[in-house]
Amino acid sequence: LAKTTQPISMDSYEGQEVNITCSHNNIATNDYITWYQQFPSQGPRFIIQGYKTKVTNEVASLFIPADRKSSTLSLPRVSLSDTAVYYCLVGDPSNYQLIWGAGTKLIIKP
Amino acid sequence: DGGITQSPKYLFRKEGQNVTLSCEQNLNHDAMYWYRQDPGQGLRLIYYSQIVNDFQKGDIAEGYSVSREKKESFPLTVTSAQKNPTAFYLCASNWAANTDTQYFGPGTRLTVL
Repeated sequence: LAKTTQPISMDSYEGQEVNITCSHNNIATNDYITWYQQFPSQGPRFIIQGYKTKVTNEVASLFIPADRKSSTLSLPRVSLSDTAVYYCLVGDPSNYQLIWGAGTKLIIKP
Repeated sequence: DGGITQSPKYLFRKEGQNVTLSCEQNLNHDAMYWYRQDPGQGLRLIYYSQIVNDFQKGDIAEGYSVSREKKESFPLTVTSAQKNPTAFYLCASNWAANTDTQYFGPGTRLTVL
């Protein structure tokens, strides 16, 4: 199971673009990269998933370089409500067990 | 209104008592999961179930038990054998074909007095 490394915390300001990078040096061929968001005392919420190159949805973009040893979650024009913990997970969709690290605590300031 | 429900939201238990946490989903998902989260940490898998009447231990199953008699329900019992049960418990579900994208319930915060 691939282990991930993320910054413990980050802060930014409203309206800025925020990039959170996740390192996963031991990613396997069948592994996908998935990001979740969690607010205090709530369950995590799926943000985005990708395998390689770039994926974009209505809330975020995910950039994955060719070697797939890292990935970057990009949140455009953040607001105060984006203050949360963001988790990067790497795993094989056929494997039910995923490793959840401590995540990155993102604080958005006015 | 589809989703996953967990009850109760807050639960207090005396030491030595067993307690059961409820998890129900109406998303027609095949797989269901139970996680434990301690303050400032990520989620740790307790048990998971891929189909009805079948379940597997996760990383920290000791002191916990589950059942999966119906597709919609996956209750978790925290037994007196669990040495440090105070935590935030999260239930999740998804289609077996895409195990990465999990849908989570609101959680139950268990406090042992």
